[in-house]
Amino acid sequence: GQNIDQPTEMTATEGAIVQINCTYQTSGFNGLFWYQQHAGEAPTFLSYNVLDGLEEKGRFSSFLSRSKGYSYLLLKELQMKDSASYLCAVRAGSYQLTFGKGTKLSVIP
Amino acid sequence: EPEVTQTPSHQVTQMGQEVILRCVPISNHLYFYWYRQILGQKVEFLVSFYNNEISEKSEIFDDQFSVERPDGSNFTLKIRSTKLEDSAMYFCASRPMFDGYTFGSGTRLTVV
Repeated sequence: GQNIDQPTEMTATEGAIVQINCTYQTSGFNGLFWYQQHAGEAPTFLSYNVLDGLEEKGRFSSFLSRSKGYSYLLLKELQMKDSASYLCAVRAGSYQLTFGKGTKLSVIP
Repeated sequence: EPEVTQTPSHQVTQMGQEVILRCVPISNHLYFYWYRQILGQKVEFLVSFYNNEISEKSEIFDDQFSVERPDGSNFTLKIRSTKLEDSAMYFCASRPMFDGYTFGSGTRLTVV
């Protein structure tokens, strides 16, 4: 099976930088995804890593270390609208995603 | 931007009744999925569908569940005899051969 861990909740200040960590244990790793989910809404795609290193996309960056089973999502210049749950999801072997429980981020003024 | 559309957005049904949740995936996508999210819990995989057949299913996807692609555009999830614990948000997702997954806005199913 797969085991995905991420912090349950985080709080950060508007304008600041926050890093959300995700660790995973799986066999047949085939990619790691980050999704944003506002309450009651669908997950929306943020980033995808399959090779080690940093992927940058505007205010959002995601890092992967396959040897350590570790990823993080970095959010810069936080805005109030970034308050949401951030879901780490792993694809292994087959083509379905296994999600972590999500990290609820609260951005405060 | 292309979207995955799901109908209805909300469905209330009595325990034991059958429900059909509908999805229209993005037209050039090849893989289709159903996921569910019980309130306050994580998103869970139900089933994947490729080339007009189920490619993988989870333990949740038991005999009361079925999927169909009745025509070239729709992708449906049927729950034959609903139970209280089937109450959840059901998300359809699709993806092309080499790219990320696009989720629909979901159907909130409430079984009473």
